Amino acid sequence: EDQVTQSPEALRLQEGESSSLNCSYTVSGLRGLFWYRQDPGKGPEFLFTLYSAGEEKEKERLKATLTKKESFLHITAPKPEDSATYLCAAQLKGGATNKLIFGTGTLLAVQP
Amino acid sequence: GAGVSQSPRYKVAKRGQDVALRCDPISGHVSLFWYQQALGQGPEFLTYFQNEAQLDKSGLPSDRFFAERPEGSVSTLKIQRTQQEDSAVYLCASSLEGFMGSQPQHFGDGTRLSIL
Repeated sequence: EDQVTQSPEALRLQEGESSSLNCSYTVSGLRGLFWYRQDPGKGPEFLFTLYSAGEEKEKERLKATLTKKESFLHITAPKPEDSATYLCAAQLKGGATNKLIFGTGTLLAVQP
Repeated sequence: GAGVSQSPRYKVAKRGQDVALRCDPISGHVSLFWYQQALGQGPEFLTYFQNEAQLDKSGLPSDRFFAERPEGSVSTLKIQRTQQEDSAVYLCASSLEGFMGSQPQHFGDGTRLSIL
């Protein structure tokens, strides 16, 4: 069964304390791995797409990396405004849809 | 508008009532998706449209759920004879390409449905 697992479920950091969020995936064939940010009461906001192992993408304090089994979202020197739930999702190859299979998310709290 | 728009933002209904949720995708986007998000969980796929064609409805939880996109733009998700377990946030997303593409899906802020 295609599955995406995120860890930890929740993470509390001090401002400036770097860390990484993990996304493990077990899928029949990966077309793309997506990272989203979700604020309370809002829909997911697109951050990155990764397509192949070894690929990296950066945006401000965030860097996403991909291996054949997992993806990491590295947060460097986080600020309180980085507090949110971070979701990863796998898009599968084949079939008549490009639906996303989401993990349950990591709730990040950055304290000043 | 620039983004995906959903209405209403909040809907409260009594068990057994029918509800209709609306999604206005980004103009020109071919693909449209509906997801259901329970509290503390990630979104779960419900159904997918490419233009007006519903290509995948494998995620719809029962035959009480029905979706349409008759002119290939606005979509409506209808739930008949609502049950308490239908309480969730319903998210709509759109993307530029058809099902062979891997362009990102852009989400609306959802409709929070509460069934009393």
